[in-house]
Amino acid sequence: DAKTTQPNSMESNEEEPVHLPCNHSTISGTDYIHWYRQLPSQGPEYVIHGLTSNVNNRMASLAIAEDRKSSTLILHRATLRDAAVYYCILEGGSEKLVFGKGTKLTVNP
Amino acid sequence: KAGVTQTPRYLIKTRGQQVTLSCSPISGHRSVSWYQQTPGQGLQFLFEYFSETQRNKGNFPGRFSGRQFSNSRSEMNVSTLELGDSALYLCASRTSGRYNEQFFGPGTRLTVL
Repeated sequence: DAKTTQPNSMESNEEEPVHLPCNHSTISGTDYIHWYRQLPSQGPEYVIHGLTSNVNNRMASLAIAEDRKSSTLILHRATLRDAAVYYCILEGGSEKLVFGKGTKLTVNP
Repeated sequence: KAGVTQTPRYLIKTRGQQVTLSCSPISGHRSVSWYQQTPGQGLQFLFEYFSETQRNKGNFPGRFSGRQFSNSRSEMNVSTLELGDSALYLCASRTSGRYNEQFFGPGTRLTVL
């Protein structure tokens, strides 16, 4: 399974945009890019996923580099509730999610 | 729709015992996956069941096993418990479509003494 690299932690201020980067240089052509987040004391929660094109949903946007070797999760206006560990995951033919260490996002009021 | 439910939520066992954890997926979801989460190793994939068949397996010893019933409910069993098995065990379900989002339950916190 291809691996992803994320910063261990990031900090943001409330109501400001947040850009969470993820590198996946060994991604294959059929790997989907998923983002999940885990709030304290909860199970992970789906955020967004994509293959090649940028994606938007009510929670966030996913910007995928043209060569697909990196992607960025964009939270347009961070709230205190967005403080969580964010996981960038590749899912390929095996259809299993392989979680890395993720990025711990701190949102300051 | 009700979410993924896991029972029990908390469990304390001693070394050498065995334990069975239960997961009820969202209605209509046929795929159930299990994960182990520890502070040291993070979230690790255990196995996935689809239509009562194990479809994927992670790198865990044979002491970890599972099964899925015809109603898609799944159980996970750990035999001969070790201290290192103390973890949060998470179950996730999704529809049969590939690459669809997984819905996670709240987890079962297992403590092995």
